[in-house]
Amino acid sequence: DSGVTQTPKHLITATGQRVTLRCSPRSGDLSVYWYQQSLDQGLQFLIQYYNGEERAKGNILERFSAQQFPDLHSELNLSSLELGDSALYFCASSTGQGGETQYFGPGTRLLVL
Amino acid sequence: QQQVKQSPQSLIVQKGGISIINCAYENTAFDYFPWYQQFPGKGPALLIAIRPDVSEKKEGRFTISFNKSAKQFSLHIMDSQPGDSATYFCAASIPGNQGGKLIFGQGTELSVKP
Repeated sequence: DSGVTQTPKHLITATGQRVTLRCSPRSGDLSVYWYQQSLDQGLQFLIQYYNGEERAKGNILERFSAQQFPDLHSELNLSSLELGDSALYFCASSTGQGGETQYFGPGTRLLVL
Repeated sequence: QQQVKQSPQSLIVQKGGISIINCAYENTAFDYFPWYQQFPGKGPALLIAIRPDVSEKKEGRFTISFNKSAKQFSLHIMDSQPGDSATYFCAASIPGNQGGKLIFGQGTELSVKP
């Protein structure tokens, strides 16, 4: 158990809908990262927050947004969902701003029908 | 330039054998190279990591070899066990203003036969 929690574990929704994925980092970790894992694209970095502020951005679609709250938990919002958004979404956390161990959560499996 | 290329895509090893997975990168600004292990239905878990000022790091049966001039690094699993059967990912990150994003290789599916 990495200490990173993610909810929900599974999510099934329809195209065009909006969903919110939630992540709680390990106690004491200030950075939260979001990654997408799909069969064709592998593990892709989406976005990083450090202590409530956006720190780095990857190839995150404009339909996707994230935030980190004062209690350091983070939410990833996916809107106008398309079939191709079906993937595993992982959250990871680390102590600092980057360059140290990232601990991954168990993931949320999203299926868009 | 931000890519990390990993090979092989899949690997079958007999129990007790040595598993070797290779990764190559182009960006010399990378300064942190972790390896992650992922079991089906689980999140990636850190196995071992290295920085470019070290040529080799060993933790138990797992060893990273790092060749800075060739821009390559590899994972060696000694005395491979069926419980090692999983997908392995190499990764790299750049410090500083680019935050801590990890750039992952495509993964290697390892199967250790009893």
